[in-house]
Amino acid sequence: SQTIHQWPATLVQPVGSPLSLECTVEGTSNPNLYWYRQAAGRGLQLLFYSVGIGQISSEVPQNLSASRPQDRQFILSSKKLLLSDSGFYLCAWSEGTSGSNEQFFGPGTRLTVL
Amino acid sequence: KQEVTQIPAALSVPEGENLVLNCSFTDSAIYNLQWFRQDPGKGLTSLLLIQSSQREQTSGRLNASLDKSSGRSTLYIAASQPGDSATYLCAVPPNAGNNRKLIWGLGTSLAVNP
Repeated sequence: SQTIHQWPATLVQPVGSPLSLECTVEGTSNPNLYWYRQAAGRGLQLLFYSVGIGQISSEVPQNLSASRPQDRQFILSSKKLLLSDSGFYLCAWSEGTSGSNEQFFGPGTRLTVL
Repeated sequence: KQEVTQIPAALSVPEGENLVLNCSFTDSAIYNLQWFRQDPGKGLTSLLLIQSSQREQTSGRLNASLDKSSGRSTLYIAASQPGDSATYLCAVPPNAGNNRKLIWGLGTSLAVNP
């Protein structure tokens, strides 16, 4: 069966510090991968998605970047965090090209920028 | 442009009631529709995926219906329990040609009181 991991679970970082959040998926090959942010009182915002290694689509211009160095690894990064980067970050996967678009989510990372 | 609306934003019911959550979308040419559940501070759990050719899907006490012509889906929860308390979200792909991304509603926060 497939599982998706995210770490860390919680993170408190000062403004201006770097960020690296990691997501890995097990039990599937060539998945589509997604990074979402969920801010308090707001809906899910798609930040990035990837259909393959090194293939990243950015949905919203912002202070963040994403990379996919391996088939089942997705990393969200920032060089300098802003207060507005605080939120709940969720990674998700769905089957690749010809598969179902049903999305499955990780447990999330709660990021607080102070 | 596809937009998704969920009404009500919050709902509080006594245990044992049957209840209906609503999801509306503006473009009826959808590929499919997904219902998710989110517990506080947790990731999303996929509940039901209903294809555009289907009228309903059932899983245990949950039943999701789809009426594309009116741009609506309902999630019916039978004999509600306190453990059903969570936020329920629906999502659809932006258009039939792009089913890898999702457009999200803001969710209905459900509280089932013992």
